[in-house]
Amino acid sequence: EPEVTQTPSHQVTQMGQEVILRCVPISNHLYFYWYRQILGQKVEFLVSFYNNEISEKSEIFDDQFSVERPDGSNFTLKIRSTKLEDSAMYFCASSGAPNTEAFFGQGTRLTVV
Amino acid sequence: AQSVTQPDIHITVSEGASLELRCNYSYGATPYLFWYVQSPGQGLQLLLKYFSGDTLVQGIKGFEAEFKRSQSSFNLRKPSVHWSDAAEYFCAVVLMNYGGSQGNLIFGKGTKLSVKP
Repeated sequence: EPEVTQTPSHQVTQMGQEVILRCVPISNHLYFYWYRQILGQKVEFLVSFYNNEISEKSEIFDDQFSVERPDGSNFTLKIRSTKLEDSAMYFCASSGAPNTEAFFGQGTRLTVV
Repeated sequence: AQSVTQPDIHITVSEGASLELRCNYSYGATPYLFWYVQSPGQGLQLLLKYFSGDTLVQGIKGFEAEFKRSQSSFNLRKPSVHWSDAAEYFCAVVLMNYGGSQGNLIFGKGTKLSVKP
């Protein structure tokens, strides 16, 4: 069964460092998303991406964040200068059509120290 | 503003007992509705979804949910809970977008289910 894969599963970084979280969406999907879940809190939407551009972003997705689809398979989330409050589980998701269910990866746990 | 409410943060049921997890949403338009389950250390797995038609939808693992427009609710049910159902359950909505643009999932805060032997 096709699935969304994320790497790494756990990333520890020092405050102020740049991190790149990687995702391989389901191969025939066209819509891509990043969500995050701070420990003990709900899953929050960060950004959606379609046709090589951002479709929508939340207020969380400030200038420190960027997304990219560098090739035909990967979808990355970059945090330019990490802060302690960026520590969270980051989920990548993809869907084959708008307004349908998204399929989620297993997440990358980011710990900023 | 669009919101999804799961009023129960934590529920404990005995194995074999029935289960109902509550979800309410606030939207002016008709949403698409979903339930996801997250087992410890795992990602989010889709249990079931409602787009239109029959308001009682069946999902995987023996779960079902009923859409009630009058109550703006989409409660998740299971007649007999198994120990392996212990997990966190998230209700989510996508506001229907007639323009064809992406609709993004908005999640509730989740309900953690514990199962007693």
